[in-house]
Amino acid sequence: QSVLTQPPSASGTPGQRVTISCSGSSSNIGRNTVNWYQELPGTAPKLLIYNNNQRPSGVPDRFSGSKSGTSASLAISGLQSEDEAAYYCAAWDDSLDGWLFGGGTKLTVL
Amino acid sequence: QVQLQQSGPGLVKPSQTLALTCAISGDSVSSNGAAWNWVRQSPSRGLEWLGRTYYRSKWNHNYAVSVKSRISINPDTSKNQFSLQLKSMTPEDTAVYYCASGTTALGDYWGQGTLVTVSS
Repeated sequence: QSVLTQPPSASGTPGQRVTISCSGSSSNIGRNTVNWYQELPGTAPKLLIYNNNQRPSGVPDRFSGSKSGTSASLAISGLQSEDEAAYYCAAWDDSLDGWLFGGGTKLTVL
Repeated sequence: QVQLQQSGPGLVKPSQTLALTCAISGDSVSSNGAAWNWVRQSPSRGLEWLGRTYYRSKWNHNYAVSVKSRISINPDTSKNQFSLQLKSMTPEDTAVYYCASGTTALGDYWGQGTLVTVSS
């Protein structure tokens, strides 16, 4: 069981806004920044958001991230069919001295 | 643009050691600003970070608690690459293994992935 907790699934219709949550603790999200990754079937994960809310070059501004206390969220606005994928949060854990991933959220575009 | 090219076997027998290599182009394994990671993905465990090596005046390593007793990640400066060794493999270690850079953030660049199956 992951120390970072995500809902296993989420869904939305095209054009909608969806959010995915990631809950941690004081040793990880509470002290360190959060990254978000998109994983499409058969491909390597892609960095979507880093340092809580920064987008790498090429990531559409439909994707945004936020953090408050020991929780973080990924928001996707203007949902598109190609956004159907698994999404993972990650944060460094000071107690474990390593990176933790959330269990992943499978997003379905209805 | 950093590129990571993985090599290594796709089939390992139980109790044997997995050895994978990740060749780096576009950056240096000795770069003071980067860390070089191994991550695996399986349907049962999702994404799991295994460990990293990085250079900050000396070589440093961090390993996941779940594999700490049997993992080794080592740089090879002569070939600009880094490697993963995971001992005492079991069927539960069956997964897609990725190498990943960490400069701006963990996973700003990824290798192509290697499906490793543990089976006799």
